[in-house]
Amino acid sequence: AQRVTQPEKLLSVFKGAPVELKCNYSYSGSPELFWYVQYSRQRLQLLLRHISRESIKGFTADLNKGETSFHLKKPFAQEEDSAMYYCALRGGNSGNTPLVFGKGTRLSVIA
Amino acid sequence: DSGVTQTPKHLITATGQRVTLRCSPRSGDLSVYWYQQSLDQGLQFLIQYYNGEERAKGNILERFSAQQFPDLHSELNLSSLELGDSALYFCASSAARGTVNEKLFFGSGTQLSVL
Repeated sequence: AQRVTQPEKLLSVFKGAPVELKCNYSYSGSPELFWYVQYSRQRLQLLLRHISRESIKGFTADLNKGETSFHLKKPFAQEEDSAMYYCALRGGNSGNTPLVFGKGTRLSVIA
Repeated sequence: DSGVTQTPKHLITATGQRVTLRCSPRSGDLSVYWYQQSLDQGLQFLIQYYNGEERAKGNILERFSAQQFPDLHSELNLSSLELGDSALYFCASSAARGTVNEKLFFGSGTQLSVL
């Protein structure tokens, strides 16, 4: 079974402080992992995906298969980073497996 | 704007009733996904269609059904509504059918309130 766990419902940090949003997954095969973000009054949108190894808006995430984690990090938080963040997993490559989301973490960056 | 359109934005109804939520995917996208978002459960996958055919099923109740039409728009039908069905229902679309690195584009959702 595929499962995504985001242990923190709410994370508050001060502007300029480092941010780490935790994500752990459960899947026996090779997963595809994503971070989606929902800013206030906006749609849910893709932030980054592990396969691209990209940095978007200063955020990075490294897949750690040993710890089954895909934590989202940013060295210096900005107020505009305040949003709801969802970690998502797709397991398998059959083409029939949808994205499974965690329950989300609300990031609040305090000025 | 993601290009995915959902109507209506808000829906208020009573227990026992039936409602239909509509989703128009991005132009050219063949896959449509439905998700339910509630405060305690987060985003729960309901069902996926690809080019008119059901592709994957998640935690969708028997009281719920969906279909994708030849013009690729999709409808989610919720019947015998209960208070616990109150949630935000999202539709997402993608070009592919659940392939590697597939990116989903989300609609703005339909907020369903069952009174």
